[in-house]
Amino acid sequence: DGGITQSPKYLFRKEGQNVTLSCEQNLNHDAMYWYRQDPGQGLRLIYYSQIVNDFQKGDIAEGYSVSREKKESFPLTVTSAQKNPTAFYLCASSIAVAFSTDTQYFGPGTRLTVL
Amino acid sequence: GIQVEQSPPDLILQEGANSTLRCNFSDSVNNLQWFHQNPWGQLINLFYIPSGTKQNGRLSATTVATERYSLLYISSSQTTDSGVYFCAVETSGSRLTFGEGTQLTVNP
Repeated sequence: DGGITQSPKYLFRKEGQNVTLSCEQNLNHDAMYWYRQDPGQGLRLIYYSQIVNDFQKGDIAEGYSVSREKKESFPLTVTSAQKNPTAFYLCASSIAVAFSTDTQYFGPGTRLTVL
Repeated sequence: GIQVEQSPPDLILQEGANSTLRCNFSDSVNNLQWFHQNPWGQLINLFYIPSGTKQNGRLSATTVATERYSLLYISSSQTTDSGVYFCAVETSGSRLTFGEGTQLTVNP
């Protein structure tokens, strides 16, 4: 089956610990994205990557880091510098189109709770 | 940055009713997408519609780019239509900006 997988579905961490969220896609998409969603709100872009070994900050990148060593993988690390990390994290991918974006497909999300 | 406003914020319908959701945006956009988020959090893209009208079963969407709005029509609503509907727009650089969504509840 083609799609996007995120793991784990639920994640609990103590305050001050770094945590890495996994995102894998087998759609052969060049572009991948990380979003954060807080209760009752829309999605906000954290980081995105249009090609392997390259990524750009989104609107709320502070306290987060990413890597893009493989086309199919785009892990997100929530660092201890992120002041309020408890949220629902969504990964997406799309075909990369020059100067634009194609339809984005989303993974099932990871709910992170920091205790 | 661009502002995306969705209305109404909440909508409650009886099964079988029709509804119209609206998305206004404050600047010119390269594309516009509508998504449905189910109660478990999964987002499904419904339409990629920078302009014009598209239909997919009971759902249709219209974007009037020159007037900076888009409408999503749901006809003969079903309980499985419940969830949050998001409009997202792209201005440049492959980045989407999302509205805050319309929470739809369809009662049997």
